[in-house]
Amino acid sequence: GAGVSQTPSNKVTEKGKYVELRCDPISGHTALYWYRQSLGQGPEFLIYFQGTGAADDSGLPNDRFFAVRPEGSVSTLKIQRTERGDSAVYLCASSPLAGGHNEQFFGPGTRLTVL
Amino acid sequence: QQQVKQSPQSLIVQKGGISIINCAYENTAFDYFPWYQQFPGKGPALLIAIRPDVSEKKEGRFTISFNKSAKQFSLHIMDSQPGDSATYFCAVHSGAGSYQLTFGKGTKLSVIP
Repeated sequence: GAGVSQTPSNKVTEKGKYVELRCDPISGHTALYWYRQSLGQGPEFLIYFQGTGAADDSGLPNDRFFAVRPEGSVSTLKIQRTERGDSAVYLCASSPLAGGHNEQFFGPGTRLTVL
Repeated sequence: QQQVKQSPQSLIVQKGGISIINCAYENTAFDYFPWYQQFPGKGPALLIAIRPDVSEKKEGRFTISFNKSAKQFSLHIMDSQPGDSATYFCAVHSGAGSYQLTFGKGTKLSVIP
C-alpha cells in the first residue's frame, strides 16, 4: 500500500515569507506526527495529532509554527515569517494507533530552504 | 539537555564485518528503544526495537543488546553489507503519556567491499 507522502519535496522561500507543508498519512492511521531534522542531526519532535486534535504541541519552537489536521487525515504544517534558522527537512510520520509503542512510519520529508 | 547520546558519529566497516553502534540514556522512564535506518533523501524506517524487560533481541543480521542497569543499548549488524550503508538513529520513548520519539544524533555507517 501507499506510504506516507509529503509535498512539496523541496521548498525554497525567502526570509519573512509564509510556507505550508503537506502530509498525507497512511490510510486509516489515526496518529500523525511532525518532526524537524536539521543537517547532521536526528529528527526532533514538533507536534502530535490524535485524530483532528493536537494532543501534544510541546515541540513547536515558537508561535510562528502551527499545524492543523481538520478532517483527521491530511495535515498541514504552517510556518509564518520564516527565518533562515527554519531551514531543515520536515518529516511527517503516522501510526495506526495512538501513542504507546506503535511503529511510526515516516514520509520522505520536505526540504525547506529559507534564503 | 541531550536525552540520548549516540556513538560513534561515523563508522567504516569492511564487508562481512560487525558494525556496532551505541546509545546511552538518562531517564529511567523510557520504556521503548527503537533503532531507525535512514537512506539519503528518505525518511527514517524502523529497523528493530526492544523493551526493557529483555536484554537482547535479534532479527536476522540485526541484534539489539540492552543493559538496563547501565542505561545503555546497542545495535549490532552482523555480516555487514554495502547495502547497509546508511545513517542509523537510536531513539527512546516513554509510554507514560508521551507519544514522541527522542532521537540520537545518528551514526553514518559505510560498509566497504
